[in-house]
Amino acid sequence: AQSVSQHNHHVILSEAASLELGCNYSYGGTVNLFWYVQYPGQHLQLLLKYFSGDPLVKGIKGFEAEFIKSKFSFNLRKPSVQWSDTAEYFCALLAGNMLTFGGGTRLMVKP
Amino acid sequence: NAGVMQNPRHLVRRRGQEARLRCSPMKGHSHVYWYRQLPEEGLKFMVYLQKENIIDESGMPKERFSAEFPKEGPSILRIQQVVRGDSAAYFCASSPGQTKTYGYTFGSGTRLTVV
Repeated sequence: AQSVSQHNHHVILSEAASLELGCNYSYGGTVNLFWYVQYPGQHLQLLLKYFSGDPLVKGIKGFEAEFIKSKFSFNLRKPSVQWSDTAEYFCALLAGNMLTFGGGTRLMVKP
Repeated sequence: NAGVMQNPRHLVRRRGQEARLRCSPMKGHSHVYWYRQLPEEGLKFMVYLQKENIIDESGMPKERFSAEFPKEGPSILRIQQVVRGDSAAYFCASSPGQTKTYGYTFGSGTRLTVV
C-alpha cells in the first residue's frame, strides 16, 4: 500500500525567508506526485505536479519541487515567502484514480 | 464554467441525525471523488464514483456511510445516525476522465459538526 509522509507539521517563517517542506512517499508503482495548497477556509488548489521527465518541477506562485527517486522524496521549495503564503500544504501521491495525501504542513509567515 | 460546487458549506447535526452532503461536479466531469479531512489530519480517500456506479469505496466506513452519483443531479454522500467522530470537512473532487490525464478539481468542502 502507498503512503505519504510530511514530517514538518508546523512551520513558522518570516517574510523573505526561504522555504522547504519535506515530503517522502512509499509506493511500488509509477510515481505521480502533487503538491496542493489550502488557504484558510478554502478548497485545495494545485500548486504543481510531477508525472515524468525533468525532476525539477515549477508551479504557480513561485513554488517548485524536486523529485529525487533515490530518496523517495518530493520536497517543495520557495526562495522567498510572503505573508500571503500562509496556508496548509499537502503532498499527494496518485495511485490508480486515488490520491493519497500526507498529513499536511501548516505554514505561517510572519509579516 | 462553475467549479465543483458543494453544499451546504457548513452543516450542524445532532447525534443520531442524518447528514446529506451534495456535490455537483464541473460541467462535463463524470468522475466524482469524496475525501474526508479530520481535524489536524490530511485528506483521506472515501469513495470514487462514476455516473450511476461506485467504482471504489475502499475508504468508506462499512456502516452508516453511503454515496451515490445518479444519472441526473449531484452526487450525494449520506451519513446516517451521525456521531461526534463524524465531525470533519468533506471534500468532493471531479474529473472528466482518468486522473493522471486530467487531474482533479476540488470543491470548497462541507464542514460537518456533530453536536
